[in-house]
Amino acid sequence: DIQMTQSPSSVSASLGDRVTITCRASQGIRSWLVWYQQKPGKAPKLLIHTASSLQSGVPSRFSGSGSGTDFTLTINSLQPEDFATYYCQQAHSLPLTFGGGTKVEIK
Amino acid sequence: QVTLRESGPALVKPTQTLTLTCTFSGFSLTTSGMCVSWVRQPPGKALEWLALIDWDDDKYYNTSLKTRLAISKDTSKRQVVLTMTNVDPVDTATYFCARQKAVAGTSYIYGMDVWGQGTTVTVSS
Repeated sequence: DIQMTQSPSSVSASLGDRVTITCRASQGIRSWLVWYQQKPGKAPKLLIHTASSLQSGVPSRFSGSGSGTDFTLTINSLQPEDFATYYCQQAHSLPLTFGGGTKVEIK
Repeated sequence: QVTLRESGPALVKPTQTLTLTCTFSGFSLTTSGMCVSWVRQPPGKALEWLALIDWDDDKYYNTSLKTRLAISKDTSKRQVVLTMTNVDPVDTATYFCARQKAVAGTSYIYGMDVWGQGTTVTVSS
């Protein structure tokens, strides 16, 4: 199975900050990487697919990059609604696997 | 409009079999590339993918849980059913179903673009 490692596990940031979350795959997955946002008590929401393609309706302050084994989710100009937990997931091969999550908290 | 809704028991006893149903609308599981996955999340913990069934009735499972899981579909009822045998308190979680699209003929799958609200299952005697 492909292991997904996210860092950091949590980050404290202020409104307007730029936040960067990284995700590393245990083997190359080309660009088959997905990012989700999850708020407490809610289902995850798809933000980015194929590493850098923004899902319809997602604000442009979210961006993704990377290929192979190393990937990044960047949130520019953090907004109040962005405080949540973010997960990466590899979509290269089954079984699918998620990263451990990164909680973005208010500083 | 695409929707999915999970249903099942809120409380299950250890060693019993858990049966969860995902009822969906707005898409067909007979359409090439269409898939449904199950994902769970124990309280305060990360997401864990469990199983996927595709339009061709191929089935895939979490490696650690595959001996206990079975996924099936009833296209006429627009339902996907997940069964988990021999449940344990560590299986206490919120269980989600979600739609995915695959690239036909490959192992590549796009993200889970529509999710159900989740159903909470507690395993306790």
